[in-house]
Amino acid sequence: ETGVTQTPRHLVMGMTNKKSLKCEQHLGHNAMYWYKQSAKKPLELMFVYNFKEQTENNSVPSRFSPECPNSSHLFLHLHTLQPEDSALYLCASSQEPGGHSPLHFGNGTRLTVT
Amino acid sequence: KNQVEQSPQSLIILEGKNCTLQCNYTVSPFSNLRWYKQDTGRGPVSLTIMTFSENTKSNGRYTATLDADTKQSSLHITASQLSDSASYICVVGVRGYSSASKIIFGSGTRLSIRP
Repeated sequence: ETGVTQTPRHLVMGMTNKKSLKCEQHLGHNAMYWYKQSAKKPLELMFVYNFKEQTENNSVPSRFSPECPNSSHLFLHLHTLQPEDSALYLCASSQEPGGHSPLHFGNGTRLTVT
Repeated sequence: KNQVEQSPQSLIILEGKNCTLQCNYTVSPFSNLRWYKQDTGRGPVSLTIMTFSENTKSNGRYTATLDADTKQSSLHITASQLSDSASYICVVGVRGYSSASKIIFGSGTRLSIRP
């Protein structure tokens, strides 16, 4: 167990659907992140939350909407996605934002948009 | 522009052999460099971290080196095992920022170990 749990592991959705990804961390960390991982490309930072406040939005389209109700839970709400949004979505947490403490990743949600 | 380049993109070796993965970066100012291992279907896991003053760090059969002058790092795997099959990602932090956007990821090297 990584200490960071993501559900669902796999998701197939049509372009008109609305779905949500869930992430939960049991490590007592203060920062949580959403990353997008596409084949043969570096991880792309999407959103950062520190003490449940959004601190970074990396120019992500509005069809992705994050929510952080507390320091242990993070959601990514999806609506009217495009086929190019198909990717592995990784949640991560760390003691503090930035590169001084290691990122602890979940196992990701494999998203396919049809 | 802050960038991290990894080579090779993919590598296949026989079980028991050694291999070395390369990471070149243009990140400035440099803070630290981490190597992550990502098994298929799982999230990345941190293997090693090195700061400016460190030039080598070991974690079992994994040894990372850092040359801050040439801005290069390598990850050497000794006596490879089938469980070493994974993607290895080089990640560099920018000094002076406590921002996640200042963590720069490489594209990774896909390593396959054949029996």
